[in-house]
Amino acid sequence: GQQLNQSPQSMFIQEGEDVSMNCTSSSIFNTWLWYKQDPGEGPVLLIALYKAGELTSNGRLTAQFGITRKDSFLNISASIPSDVGIYFCAGPYMRFGAGTRLTVKP
Amino acid sequence: EAQVTQNPRYLITVTGKKLTVTCSQNMNHEYMSWYRQDPGLGLRQIYYSMNVEVTDKGDVPEGYKVSRKEKRNFPLILESPSPNQTSLYFCASSLEGRDGYTFGSGTRLTVV
Repeated sequence: GQQLNQSPQSMFIQEGEDVSMNCTSSSIFNTWLWYKQDPGEGPVLLIALYKAGELTSNGRLTAQFGITRKDSFLNISASIPSDVGIYFCAGPYMRFGAGTRLTVKP
Repeated sequence: EAQVTQNPRYLITVTGKKLTVTCSQNMNHEYMSWYRQDPGLGLRQIYYSMNVEVTDKGDVPEGYKVSRKEKRNFPLILESPSPNQTSLYFCASSLEGRDGYTFGSGTRLTVV
């Protein structure tokens, strides 16, 4: 089946720094979704992408649907402590990457 | 309120004792899915359903069963639980499978 590779696995950054993470797939996707999970909670949708090359922002978050349709990127600008959590990419048929655990030091 | 309801939130059981975790959504969503979450392994899909009576295996289906007899319910059944099924389980639903997924609050299962 399709495979989603998400990197990095974890990140430790200073408050105010920018963050970048990405996902690649073994097959062409028509959808990329980015989620955030807070401790003890279910994931919450951040950004949805439906077209190759699409660039979408949600506040300090920006995500892009790769031109090859096999990758996607999520950037967080000027990180703050409440950005802490696990970030997941997801593709069609509700399949998820392994997640990027973000720690922000004040 | 639009939501996915999972029950129970916490469950401790013994090896081999059959159990069912229920999942219900009130959004008339076509797609539903079950995941288990273990430290460092992300959300691994157990089973997936595109509609009533249509289910498909995810990445880790062994030891689990599901049924989709009606659109709103998608129970997860462990016929003979084992300690390696100790995990945090999430149910989710989606209107079309490629739009945003709504997650339940999770079920923390411990098998001793």
